[in-house]
Amino acid sequence: DVKVTQSSRYLVKRTGEKVFLECVQDMDHENMFWYRQDPGLGLRLIYFSYDVKMKEKGDIPEGYSVSREKKERFSLILESASTNQTSMYLCASSHSGRALYNEQFFGPGTRLTVL
Amino acid sequence: GQQLNQSPQSMFIQEGEDVSMNCTSSSIFNTWLWYKQDPGEGPVLLIALYKAGELTSNGRLTAQFGITRKDSFLNISASIPSDVGIYFCAGRGGTSYGKLTFGQGTILTVHP
Repeated sequence: DVKVTQSSRYLVKRTGEKVFLECVQDMDHENMFWYRQDPGLGLRLIYFSYDVKMKEKGDIPEGYSVSREKKERFSLILESASTNQTSMYLCASSHSGRALYNEQFFGPGTRLTVL
Repeated sequence: GQQLNQSPQSMFIQEGEDVSMNCTSSSIFNTWLWYKQDPGEGPVLLIALYKAGELTSNGRLTAQFGITRKDSFLNISASIPSDVGIYFCAGRGGTSYGKLTFGQGTILTVHP
């Protein structure tokens, strides 16, 4: 089974802190994604990566950066956390190509609270 | 970016009832997906649709890819308490790398 793991299920940080969210997948997927989920807004794409050291902005990249130094690991960084970044953060990964087994698999999420 | 409108936003039903939800888009998609998210977990893929007009079932779930390629619906028959959760539609256009656009989600509550 595909497994996507996230470093923390719950995280509480203070305004201005630098925050690292880690995601690891074990299926040799080329693509990795970071979303945030807010009630009534669904999942919104922050950043994605299609290869090591490659990254593309999603729909809401402001206030975030990412790092992908190894194929299996994709990190989301909040340089200076703010209260409006309190949210559920979801990581996903997929192979390239269009087929059922290439669709995105999600991790369990990290619920981040910024005080 | 592209917008997906998913409705209804929430549903409260009795066990045994059928459920229907849908998504519409202002843009054409090549792929429609339906995910379910249990409380405290990440979304899990339920059904994937790759052709306009395609009708696909997965147990009590049935989904269709609209002919116009701008909509999709999901039906759940004979609902049970474990159907509770948030259901998301997602569409993919002509972009590469598997990038998806998600609907706002439908919160389903099933009363025993």
